Amino acid sequence: AQSVTQLGSHVSVSEGALVLLRCNYSSSVPPYLFWYVQYPNQGLQLLLKYTSAATLVKGINGFEAEFKKSETSFHLTKPSAHMSDAAEYFCAVKGGGSEKLVFGKGTKLTVNP
Amino acid sequence: NAGVMQNPRHLVRRRGQEARLRCSPMKGHSHVYWYRQLPEEGLKFMVYLQKENIIDESGMPKERFSAEFPKEGPSILRIQQVVRGDSAAYFCASSPLTSGPGELFFGEGSRLTVL
Repeated sequence: AQSVTQLGSHVSVSEGALVLLRCNYSSSVPPYLFWYVQYPNQGLQLLLKYTSAATLVKGINGFEAEFKKSETSFHLTKPSAHMSDAAEYFCAVKGGGSEKLVFGKGTKLTVNP
Repeated sequence: NAGVMQNPRHLVRRRGQEARLRCSPMKGHSHVYWYRQLPEEGLKFMVYLQKENIIDESGMPKERFSAEFPKEGPSILRIQQVVRGDSAAYFCASSPLTSGPGELFFGEGSRLTVL
């Protein structure tokens, strides 16, 4: 069965600093991996997804993630944080013949001025 | 192209009442998923439906919860005899017929408060 672990339920960075949100997955088959963002009182919006085409995936709003099979990781990064990046971020995995997404518990990102 | 539409956005029920949450998928999408979100818990899968069929209900509580996606009309998540522990945000998502690596498209959620 697939599962996702997000390290750090809260991450705080200064505006302009590097953003690094960690995600490790467990899957018995090559997975599809996703990062979603949720702003307060809203639904989830897709940031990016890995579907085995390329290990470095670029998404919206300047975010990117790198799939590392040897580390079973799919960490999300952004070179320079903006105040508007403050939100909750969810890593998710899909695969093994199942159509459902399995989510991590989320990481709340705070951006300080 | 309208996104996934959920209503009501907010619902207040007293213990023992019934809650009905509706979800209209994106146009052209025939797969619907329901998730429940509790604070600090992330999103928990509840059920996956296609038109007139429940495909995977492994995340549904055994009692009081049911879901349907009729041939016509929205998908409905029904909670009977609600208890305080049912208070949560319920999200619906949809995907097109051919999914595979495809992502899910989420609605803005229905927030249930049980008094």
